[in-house]
Amino acid sequence: DAGVIQSPRHEVTEMGQEVTLRCKPISGHNSLFWYRQTMMRGLELLIYFNNNVPIDDSGMPEDRFSAKMPNASFSTLKIQPSEPRDSAVYFCASSFMGGTNEKLFFGSGTQLSVL
Amino acid sequence: DAKTTQPTSMDCAEGRAANLPCNHSTISGNEYVYWYRQIHSQGPQYIIHGLKNNETNEMASLIITEDRKSSTLILPHATLRDTAVYYCIVTGYQKVTFGTGTKLQVIP
Repeated sequence: DAGVIQSPRHEVTEMGQEVTLRCKPISGHNSLFWYRQTMMRGLELLIYFNNNVPIDDSGMPEDRFSAKMPNASFSTLKIQPSEPRDSAVYFCASSFMGGTNEKLFFGSGTQLSVL
Repeated sequence: DAKTTQPTSMDCAEGRAANLPCNHSTISGNEYVYWYRQIHSQGPQYIIHGLKNNETNEMASLIITEDRKSSTLILPHATLRDTAVYYCIVTGYQKVTFGTGTKLQVIP
């Protein structure tokens, strides 16, 4: 199994541009999580999906952020327009929720720099 | 999810056991204790989890007190590669949130 796959690994963009981060969860997992990590705020949960349905998006910082999961094998996190304060590492994680071990598997992250 | 409290940082000599404590006094009956670690800038990695019994796997041991209000992660023979931030999480539902964790430094 290739694990959780995120792309791109690094993204450098200018303020005001649209940014799209992508995630492919592990096959068979039914839950997907988006996190953001910065030195100041640590690892923050932005949104999570269960069976492709957004369950809790209370961590999404503002309307500039949106996330979709059109099918069980793909999710996107979009920032439009991007701002310098959005610079962070964005992690995607997937899990199978419903058993006795609901451990998360994380991708390698996307390092986003907004200039 | 219940809140957890962990020391900010700890040191451990290489080859010795590392004991990382976690307080979760508001844990509910159906909530599990999970431990993850994050090495440098990699994504967090699952270590172990438990409900009320002590658990052991190839990476670590988890000791949960009888009242379930605290737990200890034990790395039996710490190596330099165990230097990382260790997160203790309590969750019984789908929402999984991370605190600030404990930065473990293994010293040669």
